[in-house]
Amino acid sequence: SQTIHQWPATLVQPVGSPLSLECTVEGTSNPNLYWYRQAAGRGLQLLFYSVGIGQISSEVPQNLSASRPQDRQFILSSKKLLLSDSGFYLCAWRRWKGSNYGYTFGSGTRLTVV
Amino acid sequence: AQKITQTQPGMFVQEKEAVTLDCTYDTSDQSYGLFWYKQPSSGEMIFLIYQGSYDEQNATEGRYSLNFQKARKSANLVISASQLGDSAMYFCAMRVSYGNNRLAFGKGNQVVVIP
Repeated sequence: SQTIHQWPATLVQPVGSPLSLECTVEGTSNPNLYWYRQAAGRGLQLLFYSVGIGQISSEVPQNLSASRPQDRQFILSSKKLLLSDSGFYLCAWRRWKGSNYGYTFGSGTRLTVV
Repeated sequence: AQKITQTQPGMFVQEKEAVTLDCTYDTSDQSYGLFWYKQPSSGEMIFLIYQGSYDEQNATEGRYSLNFQKARKSANLVISASQLGDSAMYFCAMRVSYGNNRLAFGKGNQVVVIP
C-alpha cells in the first residue's frame, strides 16, 4: 500500500541548534514531494518541493533547507534554528492517479524552538 | 498568483444539521483542481473531496459535496448531517497545473459541532 511517514512527531529545540526532519514514502516511485509549514492558527505555507532525487525548489527564503537523497526520502534541515521556525511541519506527496487522487500528508512534526 | 479566500468566522453547528463552508479562489489558469481538507486537533490533514476545473458535475464523497460555481470562482463545501467528529479546521486548497503543481491553501474555517 501507499503510505507516507514523517518523524519525529514532536520536537523541542533550543535556538541555534540544528534540525533534521525526515519524510519517507512507500508504495510508489518518483513521487512529487512537498514540505509545508503551518504557523499557529494559520493556513499552510509551501516551503520546498521536489520532483526527483537531488531536485529541490525553494519557495520562501529562510534559514531552512531541503534535500532528497533517495527517491522516496525528503529531508528538511536547518543549521541554526530561529524562534520563528516554530510551527507545524507537514510533508506531502502528490498521488498521480486512482480514486484517491490528491495530495497525501504525513502526520506532521510539531516543532517548538525555545 | 493564485489566491484562496476563506473568510467565515468560527462556526457552531448543531449535530445532524448541514453546514456550508465558503471558498473563493482567484487564478488565471484554465486547468486547476480544488480540494478540501479537514484538520482535527491532532494536526493531520485529511483529504475530503476533489473537484477538477473541467468537471461538469459537482463532486460528492459520502456526506461531503462541493458546490462548484466556476464563473463565480467559488467552491463551497457542504457537510450534511453533521457529526461530533466533524469538529475541526477545514481548509480549501487549489492546485495549479504548471510548475510544481503546488497546493495553495486558504486560512481555514473552524467548525465546532454541538450535541
